[in-house]
Amino acid sequence: AQSVTQPDIHITVSEGASLELRCNYSYGATPYLFWYVQSPGQGLQLLLKYFSGDTLVQGIKGFEAEFKRSQSSFNLRKPSVHWSDAAEYFCAVGLMEYGNKLVFGAGTILRVKS
Amino acid sequence: EPEVTQTPSHQVTQMGQEVILRCVPISNHLYFYWYRQILGQKVEFLVSFYNNEISEKSEIFDDQFSVERPDGSNFTLKIRSTKLEDSAMYFCASSADNLNGYTFGSGTRLTVV
Repeated sequence: AQSVTQPDIHITVSEGASLELRCNYSYGATPYLFWYVQSPGQGLQLLLKYFSGDTLVQGIKGFEAEFKRSQSSFNLRKPSVHWSDAAEYFCAVGLMEYGNKLVFGAGTILRVKS
Repeated sequence: EPEVTQTPSHQVTQMGQEVILRCVPISNHLYFYWYRQILGQKVEFLVSFYNNEISEKSEIFDDQFSVERPDGSNFTLKIRSTKLEDSAMYFCASSADNLNGYTFGSGTRLTVV
């Protein structure tokens, strides 16, 4: 069955430090991959997505993600974290053959310390 | 930037009551979805809707749930007889074609008491 794993429940980084949030997926076909961010009590904002082409994708707010088929991974990175990046981050895989549903990972809560 | 609009933002209902959650998808989108997120848990798919019919639904989406597109703009989720465990944030989403332009609304927090 299709699944998404985010192995880190919580991550704490210092402001200005680099960030990498891990995401692994299980899916037989070409994946359509997404990263969303959610602030407390808020909705889901799309950071970036990968459908095809260049495996390094750029998103909003200075985030980027790299698709690695050999590792079934789609890790999210940011070179320098700002305090406003504190939020929960969700990785998701999109399944066109199942009504375009998104299967989400459990999320990673990012804390930023000053 | 086009938005998916959900109303109300909060709803409190008594157990056993019917509730309707409303969504206005982005106007030129063709695919519509409902998701839910129980507090502290992951976002879960409920149902997808295309061409006036359900195209996919999860095990969560049982006979107590239904969806409707009553006119050209609204997309609703009805829960017939709410249970305590239906308390969650419900997100509506829409997309233009397949997975392009997949946009979520800001959610309706449903509390069943």
